[in-house]
Amino acid sequence: DIQMTQSPSTLSASVGDSVTITCRASQTIIDWLAWYQHKPGKAPKLLIYKASSLQSGVPSRFSGSGSGTEFTLTISSLQPDDFATYYCQQYHRPSRTFGQGTKLEIK
Amino acid sequence: EVQLVQSGAEVKKPGESLKISCKASGYSFSDYWIGWVRQMPGKGLEWMGSFYPGDSETRYSPSFQGQVTLSADKSTSTAHLQWSSLKASDTAIYYCARRGDSTRVNEYWGQGTLVTVSS
Repeated sequence: DIQMTQSPSTLSASVGDSVTITCRASQTIIDWLAWYQHKPGKAPKLLIYKASSLQSGVPSRFSGSGSGTEFTLTISSLQPDDFATYYCQQYHRPSRTFGQGTKLEIK
Repeated sequence: EVQLVQSGAEVKKPGESLKISCKASGYSFSDYWIGWVRQMPGKGLEWMGSFYPGDSETRYSPSFQGQVTLSADKSTSTAHLQWSSLKASDTAIYYCARRGDSTRVNEYWGQGTLVTVSS
């Protein structure tokens, strides 16, 4: 299985800040990486696919980059609705592993 | 409109069996893999496996191989996740999901089914 490691596990920030979450794969996944936002009691929401493609309807303050084994999700100008847990997921191999998640908290 | 509607919350005892469902609508059910994702209390998302209704091909995460069974009923456009003998550690929220045509990743999600296993 490909292991996905996210950092940090928790991130504290204020409305208006810009934050970056990192996801590392244990082997190359080319650019087959997605990012999701997850809030309690709701289904995960797709934000980014193929490492840097913005899902339809997702605000442009979300952006993704990277290739190979290192990827980042950047959220610029944080809004109150952005405080949630974020997960990366590789889909290069059939066993589509998630990172362990990054909880974005209000400072 | 693609919709995935999951069955309701379940409370079971250890050792009991359970089958939960994910009813799909708005697309050709046989043509898309349905994936299942677990979230244990206070923990992250875990990919469990996927099922292709068209030919019943199944892929399991190594962590879930032998622990659960994925299946589907094409006549009712419903995917299933089942356990033959539940454990307390199966307590979790379970989500079904389907990929998008252009994104190729889990774009459509069910609302989740809470399974509680307690004596």
